[in-house]
Amino acid sequence: DTEVTQTPKHLVMGMTNKKSLKCEQHMGHRAMYWYKQKAKKPPELMFVYSYEKLSINESVPSRFSPECPNSSLLNLHLHALQPEDSALYLCASSQGFWFDSVNYGYTFGSGTRLTVV
Amino acid sequence: DQQVKQNSPSLSVQEGRISILNCDYTNSMFDYFLWYKKYPAEGPTFLISISSIKDKNEDGRFTVFLNKSAKHLSLHIVPSQPGDSAVYFCAASDRGSTLGRLYFGRGTQLTVWP
Repeated sequence: DTEVTQTPKHLVMGMTNKKSLKCEQHMGHRAMYWYKQKAKKPPELMFVYSYEKLSINESVPSRFSPECPNSSLLNLHLHALQPEDSALYLCASSQGFWFDSVNYGYTFGSGTRLTVV
Repeated sequence: DQQVKQNSPSLSVQEGRISILNCDYTNSMFDYFLWYKKYPAEGPTFLISISSIKDKNEDGRFTVFLNKSAKHLSLHIVPSQPGDSAVYFCAASDRGSTLGRLYFGRGTQLTVWP
């Protein structure tokens, strides 16, 4: 299995809703990432988990709450989002060591297209 | 302030010809550079990378050239095929960052026409 699977593919939520995005990989990768991408912009890093521990939080608002229950799963819990949070949310994974990450790249999921209404 | 820049939002090339996608960067600490390809409704796919100690890396139809003094890299696709039509992102990383954190450019939409 060489994929990163993200669910759901599309999500529409109201500003008072609570929802979660899910990401799964079975490649034995030990680093997992959340990126946010808005139209015609590059992906922006949100969070990095290394060996199931949060190692980078790019000053993301607390209405986004990541969770890594085990080495294969990464969740992003959403609460009280704003319309400007509408974007494509990409999950990625890598081997976990810098050398491997840059030589073999990340494996990205297809993303969750989130619309906040 | 964007550290990786792709100044051409789009490029149109005839099938069989060479596609050249360009990327500039500002951070001299970057050690590795990567190219990703993205089709609509899919996540980016890793294509090729190059270390800052090299000036060229080749993989099949794809070659990346690095000019450190100019802080410039380019991706050459020869010959271009219609299936290459996608958005191409340039990305960079520095050894001092954690876990290969990547800085992405805005992307270039490549269209290869028959």
